[in-house]
Amino acid sequence: EAQVTQNPRYLITVTGKKLTVTCSQNMNHEYMSWYRQDPGLGLRQIYYSMNVEVTDKGDVPEGYKVSRKEKRNFPLILESPSPNQTSLYFCASSHTLADSYNEQFFGPGTRLTVL
Amino acid sequence: DAKTTQPNSMESNEEEPVHLPCNHSTISGTDYIHWYRQLPSQGPEYVIHGLTSNVNNRMASLAIAEDRKSSTLILHRATLRDAAVYYCILRDVRQAGTALIFGKGTTLSVSS
Repeated sequence: EAQVTQNPRYLITVTGKKLTVTCSQNMNHEYMSWYRQDPGLGLRQIYYSMNVEVTDKGDVPEGYKVSRKEKRNFPLILESPSPNQTSLYFCASSHTLADSYNEQFFGPGTRLTVL
Repeated sequence: DAKTTQPNSMESNEEEPVHLPCNHSTISGTDYIHWYRQLPSQGPEYVIHGLTSNVNNRMASLAIAEDRKSSTLILHRATLRDAAVYYCILRDVRQAGTALIFGKGTTLSVSS
């Protein structure tokens, strides 16, 4: 089954304790990205990657890091989490062909609480 | 990306058709109209997309105005499972793989 998986689905942590949220896709997609969703602010892109070893900032990258060492994986790293990073996080992937049909597939979400 | 305008909320009864409108008066010739929806406690999912002609798939139909300044997502027979936030998003074909710009969307409620 074609899918994007995220782990963990739920995480409660404390300020300053480094954490990693994993994202994996099995569709051989070149493009992967991370969004966060907050009440009243909608979904906003954090980082994206057009292919292996190519990453770039989205709209709200502060406090986050990413890496893309393999095509299927795109982990989101919070080196020193703070309470304002409490949010619902979604990973997404798609093909990057210059084509109208660039449907993005989203993972199930990771609900992060930073105390 | 050009801006879209949608009603904040709509209500429907189960088994009835639902027409979800979207205005995009500043759409450009290279913008495709995409719809995504987000069910409660889930990630967004693709529904349908189109350029100029009306489109049908197993989930919904998309009716696009002749001047392309508005479109309507049609759910032919709403079910309780269709209760979700529906987002109308313009995607420039020249920007494949870029971020989706989610607005506030339309929250659809379906009653039995």
